[in-house]
This record gives sequence, structure tokens and C-alpha cells, in this order.
Amino acid sequence: AQTVTQSQPEMSVQEAETVTLSCTYDTSENNYYLFWYKQPPSRQMILVIRQEAYKQQNATENRFSVNFQKAAKSFSLKISDSQLGDTAMYFCASFDRGSTLGRLYFGRGTQLTVWP
Amino acid sequence: KAGVTQTPRYLIKTRGQQVTLSCSPISGHRSVSWYQQTPGQGLQFLFEYFSETQRNKGNFPGRFSGRQFSNSRSEMNVSTLELGDSALYLCASSFALAGGQSYEQYFGPGTRLTVT
Repeated sequence: AQTVTQSQPEMSVQEAETVTLSCTYDTSENNYYLFWYKQPPSRQMILVIRQEAYKQQNATENRFSVNFQKAAKSFSLKISDSQLGDTAMYFCASFDRGSTLGRLYFGRGTQLTVWP
Repeated sequence: KAGVTQTPRYLIKTRGQQVTLSCSPISGHRSVSWYQQTPGQGLQFLFEYFSETQRNKGNFPGRFSGRQFSNSRSEMNVSTLELGDSALYLCASSFALAGGQSYEQYFGPGTRLTVT
């Protein structure tokens, strides 16, 4: 089994500033993905960014980037130029492409509030 | 492409009743996963289907069941509803290969079930 830990239940940031959300995970697998999902008040779960474990290069999607430290099993999300629409619950998740097919392991989430 | 759709969006049932939730995946996606989200337990995996076969099941009682049809649409059923079954039920679809290699999951808007 895998475990995902998000140690920051809540965070806040001012509009246009940068914020980093932390995530650590534990897995014995070698072939896995890591994801950040965003869940705004509408409750729709939206995929923000993904990282394949075998890739050393950190993933980037516009204002969102990750810092993937495989040896430390750390996977943080950096949001640059924060916008009011970034206010949401953010979930870190891991996905094993091997034995536990089709299953995401989620952290408990970090509630991010962006204020004007 | 149309996204993942779930029906109904909201449902109110009484204890002891049963309920069926429906999920239509993104066109071309053959894998459908179900998750239960509650404030207390967070996101918990229910089960995953691929090509009409359940490949993986979470730690839920037998009252929770599901199935997948030949067009990849999936349903989940909860019998003998309990107050604790009140939750947001999320369905996710993924482009998965027959050999088990899967990719990122895309979520539907969820079905909010309230049991009174």
C-alpha cells in the first residue's frame, strides 16, 4: 500500500504571491505517478499537474510547478502569481501503475485561500 | 471531448433504502474508478472496473457494489443505506491498456448522497 501525507491543513496567500504546498509519500513501488488535484467549492476534482517517477525533470504547467525529490519521497506544489480562482482544496495523490491497478492514494488535502 | 458525467448530482434517501449512482466516462476511456469523500475519512477508494471486470476493490462492506457495461458506463449500488453513507461519491475515468498500464484519472462532478 501507499501512503500520502499533507502536513498543512490550511494555507493562505495574497494574490500575485507565490505559495508552496507540501506532500510526502511512501511507496515500495518503482513505477508510479504523482499528482496534484484541485477541488474548488464546486467540488469538481481537477487535475493540476502530474509527475512520472522515472522522470528526473520537475513537471510544469503554466503557473504550477512541482519539486520532486524522489529519494526524500517529497512532492511539493508551487503556485506562482496566485489568483483568486486558485482558492480550493488541493490534494496530493500517488498512483501505482503495477499491482494496485486503477487506484489513487490521496492525502487529506490542504485548503488554500487566496486573498486580494 | 465531453468530460466524465455523473447522475444524479444530488440524492436524498432514508435509512434502509438502496441507491444506484451512474457514471459515464470520457469517450475512449475503459477504466472507471469510484471514490467516497467525507469530511471525516477524506477520499477513500471503492472499486475500479476495466472492460466490465472489477480489478480492484477497497475496504468497504458488501453493501457497496458496482458494475460496468460494455460501453464503459458504470454504476455503483449501495443497499441498506446507513447514515454514515452520506458522502460525495466521485467517479473517475482513465485511459487504461489491457495489460494494466494506466494513466491519469479524470473526475466527474460527483453525486452528493444524503441519508436521513
